[in-house]
Amino acid sequence: AQTVTQSQPEMSVQEAETVTLSCTYDTSENNYYLFWYKQPPSRQMILVIRQEAYKQQNATENRFSVNFQKAAKSFSLKISDSQLGDTAMYFCASLGGDKVIFGPGTSLSVIP
Amino acid sequence: SQTIHQWPATLVQPVGSPLSLECTVEGTSNPNLYWYRQAAGRGLQLLFYSVGIGQISSEVPQNLSASRPQDRQFILSSKKLLLSDSGFYLCAWSYSPGSGTDTQYFGPGTRLTVL
Repeated sequence: AQTVTQSQPEMSVQEAETVTLSCTYDTSENNYYLFWYKQPPSRQMILVIRQEAYKQQNATENRFSVNFQKAAKSFSLKISDSQLGDTAMYFCASLGGDKVIFGPGTSLSVIP
Repeated sequence: SQTIHQWPATLVQPVGSPLSLECTVEGTSNPNLYWYRQAAGRGLQLLFYSVGIGQISSEVPQNLSASRPQDRQFILSSKKLLLSDSGFYLCAWSYSPGSGTDTQYFGPGTRLTVL
């Protein structure tokens, strides 16, 4: 069975600073994908970044990057130059087979 | 480009009443479709997913059901709502397996309150 754990229920960061959100997962699949989704107060789920497990290179999307440690089953998200619009719930997710499993989420507040 | 719609956006229903939530996808064909529920302050719980017309897989046995009458239409239903059915319902789609990408894209959601 797949599981996704996010050990930080809430985090805060000063505007323009860098913050890292943690995620660990467990899967028996050999081929899988990992995602970070953002859910702002509007509750629209927005894809932030995607990582294929077979790729060793860490994915990056502008100010967002991941640290993918496959052996440790760790998939953390780094947000650089935090902006007020980054305030949201962040969900880590794992896809193996047909289904995506979501973690419980981390609530991030960016403080002006 | 692909878009996904859900309606209604908000719904308030009495206990014991029926439910029908609709999700449609535009701009793609033969998508995988998903229904999730998100309780307040919680993560997402997968309820149903479908890989084709009439093909529904249920993840959580409960008083909800899903149907896929058309390729890009996914409906979540209940004959009698319970208080515990309150929550935020999200529909999502992804490309079919083997297409090279499995990212799920979400609709705007429906906020359901059962009184």
